[in-house]
Amino acid sequence: SQTIHQWPATLVQPVGSPLSLECTVEGTSNPNLYWYRQAAGRGLQLLFYSVGIGQISSEVPQNLSASRPQDRQFILSSKKLLLSDSGFYLCAWSVTGSTRSDTQYFGPGTRLTVL
Amino acid sequence: AQSVTQPDIHITVSEGASLELRCNYSYGATPYLFWYVQSPGQGLQLLLKYFSGDTLVQGIKGFEAEFKRSQSSFNLRKPSVHWSDAAEYFCAVGVLWQAGTALIFGKGTTLSVSS
Repeated sequence: SQTIHQWPATLVQPVGSPLSLECTVEGTSNPNLYWYRQAAGRGLQLLFYSVGIGQISSEVPQNLSASRPQDRQFILSSKKLLLSDSGFYLCAWSVTGSTRSDTQYFGPGTRLTVL
Repeated sequence: AQSVTQPDIHITVSEGASLELRCNYSYGATPYLFWYVQSPGQGLQLLLKYFSGDTLVQGIKGFEAEFKRSQSSFNLRKPSVHWSDAAEYFCAVGVLWQAGTALIFGKGTTLSVSS
């Protein structure tokens, strides 16, 4: 069966510090991978989407970047965190290929607090 | 424009009472609709999804949802709520996005269950 891991589970970082959040998927090949951010009162915002190694699409300009160095690894990064980067970060995967009816399966999330 | 609206930010229901969570969508093509549930500090779990056929969809944990094209709605229901159903519920629509597909989420409805 497929599983999705995220770490760390919780992170507290000072403003201006770098960030690296990791997501890995097991039990499937060439998944579509997603990063979402959940901020209080704002629902889930899609940040990045990847259909394969080195292929990243971004939804909105922001202080964050994403990379996919391996087939089942997705990394969210920042060079300098802002207060507004605080939130709950969720990674998700769906099966390879791309249809609107595909289910996305979510990881447990990372709670990021920027002070 | 594609969007999902969940009009109720917070709902409180007595244990054993029935539940209906509202969801309205805006999408120009055939909608593929999803309901997810999120327990505090956790990732999202798929409850059910609609992509064709019968407009009444059965899901896990005794939930069901009815797709009504004329009302652009996909409301979630449960005949008898249990205390363990207290969580945040998200409605989403699958959309074409850049190189592939993505989910557009509503802002969520928080369900509290009173004894």
